[in-house]
Parts: sequence; C-alpha cells; structure tokens
Amino acid sequence: GEDVEQSLFLSVREGDSSVINCTYTDSSSTYLYWYKQEPGAGLQLLTYIFSNMDMKQDQRLTVLLNKKDKHLSLRIADTQTGDSAIYFCAETAFGNEKLTFGTGTRLTIIP
Amino acid sequence: DARVTQTPRHKVTEMGQEVTMRCQPILGHNTVFWYRQTMMQGLELLAYFRNRAPLDDSGMPKDRFSAEMPDATLATLKIQPSEPRDSAVYFCASGLVTGAFSYGYTFGSGTRLTVV
Repeated sequence: GEDVEQSLFLSVREGDSSVINCTYTDSSSTYLYWYKQEPGAGLQLLTYIFSNMDMKQDQRLTVLLNKKDKHLSLRIADTQTGDSAIYFCAETAFGNEKLTFGTGTRLTIIP
Repeated sequence: DARVTQTPRHKVTEMGQEVTMRCQPILGHNTVFWYRQTMMQGLELLAYFRNRAPLDDSGMPKDRFSAEMPDATLATLKIQPSEPRDSAVYFCASGLVTGAFSYGYTFGSGTRLTVV
C-alpha cells in the first residue's frame, strides 16, 4: 500500500529558507501535494506537482520532485512567523484519487 | 473564495449518544471525502463519494459509523453509538475529479468531537 513519510519537526530562523522533505513509496503516484494546517484550522492546499514535472515555483514556494528516489521537498523562502504550521505531504495515484497523507512536519519559526 | 462548510465546529457528547456531522461541499465539486485526524493516527480516510455514490468506506467502523450524501449540497457522517475513542477532528473535503486528473481538494474547518 501507499506510504508517505515526513520528519516530525523543523525549526528555522525568521528570514531563512525552510526545506520540508517527504518520501513516498507508491511508484504510480500521479500528483503530489503540500497542505498547510494552522492551529485549530483545516488543511489549506498550498501547491501540487504532477509526477512528470521535477520543479514548480509559486512565489516563495518551490517544490522539487525526484521521482527516481520518490522524494518531494517544499522550500519556503524568507520564512516568516506566519509560516508556523504543520505541513503535510500527500499523494494520489492514477485511478485512485484518495489522498494519502504523511504524518506532517511541524515548522517552528525562531525570531 | 468558495469554501467547504462543516457544522457543528465543536461537539461534546456523552458516550452512547448519536452524533451527526454535516458538510456542504463546494458547488460543482463531484467528489467528497471524510477524514478523521487524531494525534496518534494522523489523518485517516473514512469514506468518500463520487457524484453522491459511495466509492469507498473501508476506513469506517461499519457497526457504528455511516456516511451519506442525501443530495449534492450535503454530506453527513453519523456515529451511533458514540464512544470515547471516537474523539477526534473530523474533516470534510471536496474536489473535482475528471478522469485521471484531480485539481486538489478543499478542506473544511473540521468538527472537533469530544465523547465523554
């Protein structure tokens, strides 16, 4: 079955770049997603990447996909206090639109 | 911005009582999911629907949970009887899936359920 793994915690100084990593096992993954969850809130879709791409950039966010290693990363440039949240990696596979989530990475910003 | 609306936001109930959670998906979305989030298990898929038809409810305890879509604007998740281990945040999400392409799913703010 599908498995998505992430490290649980990341601390970054304000203004630095944050890099959140994710590995997945399903080789038939078609879309990979990054969601953000702030305290007491639902999950907000930040960005997604199709499996035939290796990079996608959207303002301060850069997603890198290494399909060979099944590794996905989210880079947040110029990290701000408002970026403090839990970030979830998720994937869907062809013919299987269910989202499989990682454990989430709690990003803490150090002033 | 279009949003997925869940009610109630919070629910405290006694063990054995029936709980009903409601979700209004985004108009035009054809796929609706119910997820449960706990500290121990993370995000678990309970059930999902396509064009109101149930596609998969294998994540739900069948003896006490039921999920339905009476119409395209309402999805419900019921627990009867509720147990303390059902305490969690329940999320509804909706999205548009066409063929092999999904545009990402929008989540509601969740229902925080506490069973005492």
